[in-house]
Formats: sequence, C-alpha cells, structure tokens
Amino acid sequence: QKEVEQNSGPLSVPEGAIASLNCTYSDRGSQSFFWYRQYSGKSPELIMSIYSNGDKEDGRFTAQLNKASQYVSLLIRDSQPSDSATYLCAVNNQAGTALIFGKGTTLSVSS
Amino acid sequence: KAGVTQTPRYLIKTRGQQVTLSCSPISGHRSVSWYQQTPGQGLQFLFEYFSETQRNKGNFPGRFSGRQFSNSRSEMNVSTLELGDSALYLCASRSQSTNEKLFFGSGTQLSVL
Repeated sequence: QKEVEQNSGPLSVPEGAIASLNCTYSDRGSQSFFWYRQYSGKSPELIMSIYSNGDKEDGRFTAQLNKASQYVSLLIRDSQPSDSATYLCAVNNQAGTALIFGKGTTLSVSS
Repeated sequence: KAGVTQTPRYLIKTRGQQVTLSCSPISGHRSVSWYQQTPGQGLQFLFEYFSETQRNKGNFPGRFSGRQFSNSRSEMNVSTLELGDSALYLCASRSQSTNEKLFFGSGTQLSVL
C-alpha cells in the first residue's frame, strides 16, 4: 500500500508568520502532487498543485517538490487566522488513477 | 458550472442494513472517485470509476461496491453495515485525464447505530 505521511500537528504559528507543512510519499513513480485545505465540517478544497521539481508560488502559498527525496512541502507566508484548517497532502499513484492522501496537518494561526 | 453534488447529505442506518449513496460529477468530468473519511484514518481511497469502468480500488472489503452510469453519475453501495462504517463519504470528480486534480462534493455523513 503506497503511503503519504504528514505530521498531524497541531502546528501553531502567530499571525503574520510563515507556516511550513511537510509531506513524504512512498511511490517513486508518482507524477502529480497536491495540497488541499479542509475546514472543520467542510470538504477538502484544492489550493496548490505541483508536477515538477522545484518551487511553485501562488499568492501567499509556495509548494516545493523534491522527487529524489520523495518530499513535498507547503509554505504559507503572512499566515492569517483564516488559514487555520487541516492541510492534506495528496499524491497520485504511478498510473495516475488514484489520489492518495496523508492524514493531514492541523494548522492554528493565532491573532 | 455546478460542482460535485452528493445526496443525501446525512444518513442514519442500523447495523446489517445496506445503503446507497449518489454522486453527480462536474459537467464534462468522466472520472469519479470515492473516499471514506474518519477522524482516526483520515481520507481513504475506496475506488475510482472512469467511463463506467472501475479503474482502481482501495483496500476495503467487498461490502463496499460502486458503479458509474453512462452520464458519469456514480453510486456507492455498502451492504451489511457495521458500526465502523460510520464516516463521511466523499465523492470527487476530475476530467478524463489521469494525474489531474480532484474536486470534492460536500459528502454524505453516514451514522450506523
């Protein structure tokens, strides 16, 4: 069973700080990687996707991918209380037919 | 464009019963995936359907089954319900491509008593 591992947290940061979320995966053949945000009682929503090694920036969010180390990360700059949620790392299997999720990291941003 | 629609939103069943959940994907999306979410196990992959064919299956017992219709709508069935089946069941769709992002519905919260 291919796995995706994340620290469960909670990760607590003050407002305005940088939050760093990490994820490792076991399937070396994976080609696409995603970060989803899930608020309590809501369904996951996509915030970032990354397919190539390196960094990808979108507003306050930066995704980083290192396929050699099988490592994906998400940086949230200028964290806001509204960023408080569970962040799920998701990795497609080698065939691209199943998106496997980590158990999520809970982020708490205090004002 | 309308999002992924799941019905019903809430269900209460008793042990031994069976249940059918429904999912309508985003218009034009041909792939539908189903997930079970529990506090302890997180989001676990059940199966994925594409063009009425099951393309992948997670590690769940045969009591969990699904199907997809020609209009891409999908149903998931759980027979002989157990207490441990209480969970949020999420449906997600994506375009015909593999490796594409998933868009989730609001889920069906199933409680087994």
